[in-house]
Amino acid sequence: EPEVTQTPSHQVTQMGQEVILRCVPISNHLYFYWYRQILGQKVEFLVSFYNNEISEKSEIFDDQFSVERPDGSNFTLKIRSTKLEDSAMYFCASTEDRLAGDTQYFGPGTRLTVL
Amino acid sequence: AQSVTQLGSHVSVSEGALVLLRCNYSSSVPPYLFWYVQYPNQGLQLLLKYTSAATLVKGINGFEAEFKKSETSFHLTKPSAHMSDAAEYFCAVSPPGSARQLTFGSGTQLTVLP
Repeated sequence: EPEVTQTPSHQVTQMGQEVILRCVPISNHLYFYWYRQILGQKVEFLVSFYNNEISEKSEIFDDQFSVERPDGSNFTLKIRSTKLEDSAMYFCASTEDRLAGDTQYFGPGTRLTVL
Repeated sequence: AQSVTQLGSHVSVSEGALVLLRCNYSSSVPPYLFWYVQYPNQGLQLLLKYTSAATLVKGINGFEAEFKKSETSFHLTKPSAHMSDAAEYFCAVSPPGSARQLTFGSGTQLTVLP
């Protein structure tokens, strides 16, 4: 069964460094998302991406964050200058289409630790 | 704005007992509702979803949920718990219309006792 994959599974970085989290959505999916889960807290929406542009973003997704689909398969989340509070599990998700109620398929996540 | 409340951050049941995980939503219009499960060190897996068809929704692994508009609830049930059901369960809501962001509840950790 097709699945969303994410790399790396765990990323450790120093505060102020740039990180890029990578996702490979399911191949025929068109709508992509990033969520994060700070330890012990809710899963929070960051951004959605469709047709090579941001469709929606939350208040969390400030100028330090950016997303890109650099080729036909990868979907990346870049954090320009990491802060301690960026430490979290980051989940990528994808849906086949923009249909209402379409299932979002999640990857296994990347655990980001900022020291 | 939508929100989801999951009552009980931890629920323990004996193997073979009924599982009931509670979820209440707040939305100005009937939303779409989802239950996801997260096993240790894994991503979120969809158990079932409500998208304005039948109010009783059956999902994978014997789980089901009933949408009750009058109670703004979407509780998850399973008649008989199995040890493999031990995981964290998340209720989520999204507004009707095109594919949109999910708003998650805080999650319920289910423990199944032998």
